[in-house]
Amino acid sequence: NAGVTQTPKFRVLKTGQSMTLLCAQDMNHEYMYWYRQDPGMGLRLIHYSVGEGTTAKGEVPDGYNVSRLKKQNFLLGLESAAPSQTSVYFCASTKSGSNEQFFGPGTRLTVL
Amino acid sequence: GQSLEQPSEVTAVEGAIVQINCTYQTSGFYGLSWYQQHDGGAPTFLSYNALDGLEETGRFSSFLSRSDSYGYLLLQELQMKDSASYFCANPSGGYQKVTFGTGTKLQVIP
Repeated sequence: NAGVTQTPKFRVLKTGQSMTLLCAQDMNHEYMYWYRQDPGMGLRLIHYSVGEGTTAKGEVPDGYNVSRLKKQNFLLGLESAAPSQTSVYFCASTKSGSNEQFFGPGTRLTVL
Repeated sequence: GQSLEQPSEVTAVEGAIVQINCTYQTSGFYGLSWYQQHDGGAPTFLSYNALDGLEETGRFSSFLSRSDSYGYLLLQELQMKDSASYFCANPSGGYQKVTFGTGTKLQVIP
């Protein structure tokens, strides 16, 4: 099992450009999450999904959109990137009823 | 709202014991989790306390006191590889949302 994978690993964008981050998990987990992590700070929840076709806002959702068309995939979109979105983005998944989140390796995004 | 506070940095000697504290204020509380994250890596799950008391997993133990809104992670027989950041986390809303603490960077020195 690959666990949780993220694509791409690194990306540099110019202000105003758009992009999509892809998260995939092969553990048949119901719940999936997108976090951002900034230097010296913990993980902040952007959006999450409790099942296919369902998404909800987290702590810092502004400027991001998500979609969960298939159970194994969770996409994070930036429609118009801003320098404040420079961060490391982590995707995670959890089995329903479990307390253990499994994280992907992260995507390091820089917006110039 | 949710907030979990941790000390920002802790330094300890190889072979010693270190305790990393977490105090929380939450509107709904289901338990306390702990995660480890090495520099440049992804967080990995260490433990979860649903009830008050001590949970032991090898060299690591985690403690929870709901009445004090407080928990800690105890690392024994410290090794250099334990140098990492440690986060407490509170699953809420039936595990659908998780709030992470600010993180504690542990440095183990020879």
